[in-house]
Amino acid sequence: QLQLQESGPGLVKPSGTLSLTCAVSGVSISGVNWWSWVRQAPGKGLEWIGEIYHSGSTHYNPSLKSRVTMSVDKSKNQFSLTVTSVTAADTAVYYCVRDQGGMTFDLWGRGTLVSVSS
Amino acid sequence: QSALTQPPSASGSPGQSVTISCTGSSSDVGSYNRVSWYQQHPGKAPKLMIYEVSKRPSGVPDRFSGSKSGNTASLTVSGLQADDEADYFCSSYAGSTNLLVMFGGGTELTVL
Repeated sequence: QLQLQESGPGLVKPSGTLSLTCAVSGVSISGVNWWSWVRQAPGKGLEWIGEIYHSGSTHYNPSLKSRVTMSVDKSKNQFSLTVTSVTAADTAVYYCVRDQGGMTFDLWGRGTLVSVSS
Repeated sequence: QSALTQPPSASGSPGQSVTISCTGSSSDVGSYNRVSWYQQHPGKAPKLMIYEVSKRPSGVPDRFSGSKSGNTASLTVSGLQADDEADYFCSSYAGSTNLLVMFGGGTELTVL
């Protein structure tokens, strides 16, 4: 079954590092698709964080680029997100998504809420 | 680069049609036929409803349609049903440099 599943700590301290993993099932991460992270602050809209290809190539949102790193683990069919120096503004539901092409997101994980608080 | 502009709310009665607009610029919506629309019910992940301006993924009812004129894209929902009540977000490819994709702020659709 085609599925994306986010996992990681639900609470991160201010100035700490947020780390999430997306497990991909039902399709190989080494195919033709790019894989993205999108977040949604409580009651707010969607914000694209960045994307990664199975080769390790990445593109990041310029507003987050200095704090974001993405990686891929082809052996586990998963990809990951790291955000450093987090603040309360990073509190959001984080979704991992598949890009079917042209930044069209056709497959979404259920999302995971990450709160930044001491 | 600013987010795409959507009206915060829209509404219609069952059976009616409603259109939601999404205004960008000549650098995104106006330059590329890569506009998508997503439906999001409370507490759920967004769902792709329209891509490449007017194409529907398999399983999306033909009551949902998309169009574009200049820098503004539109989503029309015909024959409104109770389950259409949700938030709708547009997005557009924004070029191969800097920010690749922009989202609208979202429109809350209420079925009266």
